[in-house]
Amino acid sequence: DAGVIQSPRHEVTEMGQEVTLRCKPISGHDYLFWYRQTMMRGLELLIYFNNNVPIDDSGMPEDRFSAKMPNASFSTLKIQPSEPRDSAVYFCASSQGPRNTEAFFGQGTRLTVV
Amino acid sequence: AQTVTQSQPEMSVQEAETVTLSCTYDTSENNYYLFWYKQPPSRQMILVIRQEAYKQQNATENRFSVNFQKAAKSFSLKISDSQLGDTAMYFCAFMNGRLTGGGNKLTFGTGTQLKVEL
Repeated sequence: DAGVIQSPRHEVTEMGQEVTLRCKPISGHDYLFWYRQTMMRGLELLIYFNNNVPIDDSGMPEDRFSAKMPNASFSTLKIQPSEPRDSAVYFCASSQGPRNTEAFFGQGTRLTVV
Repeated sequence: AQTVTQSQPEMSVQEAETVTLSCTYDTSENNYYLFWYKQPPSRQMILVIRQEAYKQQNATENRFSVNFQKAAKSFSLKISDSQLGDTAMYFCAFMNGRLTGGGNKLTFGTGTQLKVEL
C-alpha cells in the first residue's frame, strides 16, 4: 500500500477563494482524521470519521470549514471562503479500529492564503 | 479533557550520545495509549514508539525506549546512540482506550525540536 495520500502538497490561494484538500486513506482503515498544524496552536484535530460517518467535528474552527467522506477511499476538507489565518499544514491520517491504534499520516498539504 | 505537556521546546545532543525528551500528561482515564511521533524536515509524521497504559513494561524499539511512570503521568523518550538522522521535531501524544466517545483520536503535545550535532 502506498500509505495515506494527500493532494495537493502545496496550495497557495487568495483570500476569499474556496480551497479543497483531498485525502485517500490506507485501504481497509476504518478511521480517518484531519489535523491542522500551526506554529501557534501545534497539532490539533479538526474532525474524524468512522466508516465514512463523521464522529467528532468539535475541532472544526468555523462554518467556513467542512469535511466529507463520500466513500471509504476518499475524503475532502473544504474551506470557503479562505482567510489568511487558515494558513497551516493540514494532515490526513487513517487507522484501523477500534483496537489497532497506530495512526498513519499523509505528507500533509501546506496551505498559504494571501 | 486530556492534556499533553512537553516542557522542552528545543534540545541538542552530540552524535552517538544519549538524550531524553520529557512528556507529562493529564487524564482521568485508566485505559489509554501513549505515543512518540517524529517529524523530520520532510514534514512526514512517523510513529517512533507506542506504550499501552495497562502494560508495566517500558516499550523499546531499537535505539528508542520510554520511561513510563503511570502514577506520575510521565512518559519520557530516550534515544541512545543518537544519529544525525534523528534530527527532527518529536511529539508526545495521548489516545484514550475507549471504543466510543473519542477513542482513536490523538492529543498532541507542542513538540521538542531535537538537533543531533557532529
